[in-house]
Amino acid sequence: EIQLQESGPGLVKPSQSLSLTCSVTGYTITSGYDWSWIRKFPGNKMEWMGYISYSGSTNYNPSLKSRISITRDTSKNQFFLQLNSVTTEDTATYYCARYARGFAYWGQGTLVTVSS
Amino acid sequence: DIQMTQSPPSLSASLGDKVTITCQASQNINKYIAWYQQKPGKAPRQLIRYTSTLVSGTPSRFSGSGSGRDYSFSISNVESEDIASYYCLQYDNLPFTFGSGTKLEIK
Repeated sequence: EIQLQESGPGLVKPSQSLSLTCSVTGYTITSGYDWSWIRKFPGNKMEWMGYISYSGSTNYNPSLKSRISITRDTSKNQFFLQLNSVTTEDTATYYCARYARGFAYWGQGTLVTVSS
Repeated sequence: DIQMTQSPPSLSASLGDKVTITCQASQNINKYIAWYQQKPGKAPRQLIRYTSTLVSGTPSRFSGSGSGRDYSFSISNVESEDIASYYCLQYDNLPFTFGSGTKLEIK
């Protein structure tokens, strides 16, 4: 069964970069599908941030385009989120998920707080 | 971006009731809408995709309908385990966008 698990620092200082890892088991990320990052803000708004496809191409939410990068390490079956120049507005629970006509598989989520 | 207007923000229902949540898209989304259930501290769970297709494991008391810009999601015979927040997602156009959520409580 496919499982996704986010990991990374829970606290990031303003103006620094947020970096998270999504480790995937039970499916090889180069075999198919698009691999996304989604976040949920404290007020419960949810935002799709972007994805990296099985072929390695990326697509980002234009609201984040200048700050976001999604990459992968195929040898470890992991993909990564980097969000630059964070502010307190980036405080959220971050999820990785597999896209296939909707998001059927999600990680448990990791809370990232941006604070000095 | 396509805006998804979800209502109501919250619902209070008795066990056994039928409840309905709506999402209106800012443009035609060609039935590419999914519905999610989220319980506190848990990841969202996909219940329905492509307007009305139940995902494997979704109880039959959940249903979806709609077309064009207007979509609805219903739970018939609400059970205590249905206490959660519910979200719609449009995946017709990038960027994918979510509704603002509906919190279901039991009276």
